[in-house]
Amino acid sequence: EAGVAQSPRYKIIEKRQSVAFWCNPISGHATLYWYQQILGQGPKLLIQFQNNGVVDDSQLPKDRFSAERLKGVDSTLKIQPAKLEDSAVYLCASSLVGSGAYEQYFGPGTRLTVT
Amino acid sequence: GIQVEQSPPDLILQEGANSTLRCNFSDSVNNLQWFHQNPWGQLINLFYIPSGTKQNGRLSATTVATERYSLLYISSSQTTDSGVYFCAVGYYNQGGKLIFGQGTELSVKP
Repeated sequence: EAGVAQSPRYKIIEKRQSVAFWCNPISGHATLYWYQQILGQGPKLLIQFQNNGVVDDSQLPKDRFSAERLKGVDSTLKIQPAKLEDSAVYLCASSLVGSGAYEQYFGPGTRLTVT
Repeated sequence: GIQVEQSPPDLILQEGANSTLRCNFSDSVNNLQWFHQNPWGQLINLFYIPSGTKQNGRLSATTVATERYSLLYISSSQTTDSGVYFCAVGYYNQGGKLIFGQGTELSVKP
């Protein structure tokens, strides 16, 4: 069974530029999550999708971050414009459903450096 | 507020030694997962264990939900066990998201 796929693996941009990340969850998983992991900390949820609907985006900085999951499969996360503090690893995860009672699986992450 | 606390924050072992990592949480959970984050940043699933005990090779885990803690045991440690170990918890009233602890950084010396 293929795992969660993410691209790109690494990205370096200058502040005020824009960037987009892509995620393809495990086949059949209805719930998709984007987490942000700042160096030295545990990951923190940015947004959760159930199929193509948003379940929780309370921690997403909506003035600069956006995410979509068209067709309920893959997803993109965008940052525009980027700030220095956005430097982090962006992790995508998926689970069968989003009740919390199902194991989450993580992709390899995208390491973003904003200079 | 909702907390997930891991201890110790850092651990240095000689190869072959055993260790116990602890995770304390603050409310009833419907999900508890242990992860190993390797040097390349990948989160590897170790256990899905909201309650009970599981074993996988040299690793085992126990969650006592009524007392709000979980333990991860590593026996006969190897240098490849080095990395950061995260405990992550899903609470009933928090939807499906995982709340992560700060991690335990393990270094196994040859």
